[in-house]
Amino acid sequence: DQQVKQNSPSLSVQEGRISILNCDYTNSMFDYFLWYKKYPAEGPTFLISISSIKDKNEDGRFTVFLNKSAKHLSLHIVPSQPGDSAVYFCAASARSSASKIIFGSGTRLSIRP
Amino acid sequence: DGGITQSPKYLFRKEGQNVTLSCEQNLNHDAMYWYRQDPGQGLRLIYYSQIVNDFQKGDIAEGYSVSREKKESFPLTVTSAQKNPTAFYLCASSSPGQKFSGNTIYFGEGSWLTVV
Repeated sequence: DQQVKQNSPSLSVQEGRISILNCDYTNSMFDYFLWYKKYPAEGPTFLISISSIKDKNEDGRFTVFLNKSAKHLSLHIVPSQPGDSAVYFCAASARSSASKIIFGSGTRLSIRP
Repeated sequence: DGGITQSPKYLFRKEGQNVTLSCEQNLNHDAMYWYRQDPGQGLRLIYYSQIVNDFQKGDIAEGYSVSREKKESFPLTVTSAQKNPTAFYLCASSSPGQKFSGNTIYFGEGSWLTVV
């Protein structure tokens, strides 16, 4: 049973436009959410996170939105740049088991010229 | 430089052999983790440790073993009981988050294990 789902395996966006990556979760106990970026043959790097007490967190070109009632979060990248081409993982954890962080299957983002 | 160091980067294992992947961190983090990534798939948790001398099984612990004798080190042994060991292995670590924020985990560069 996948508790964190990224239903789009891939996404192609034109350079300069907005990239929107989506993530759904099923466990209502999750209260902390993270996005990671991963290049091939490298470890994922932390991008941005959001706590369940917020519905939006922004850091430069990256904004994460959380809709608790829909159990849905999204990562917006604007404007998209060639270096953003990578696999993006959504992750979630619950305060009760904060050391156990569950990852989605990832979305491969390709930025085309 | 502070960080997480995994070694070796590439490792080949023969059928029936046990191999150990090393993970060292100098971030003074309490918790450490091992994840596995298969081609085109997400990250699956193998084992994690919240403190020294303690560790818990993740979602796919069968065929793996770990130890946590030191805060800085969390080696993973892939035993001959692991039927499909070929994968990319990622070690990570974290510290407890602040109030209203959870753990952010930081990853090493990964180790490729191939069975030959």
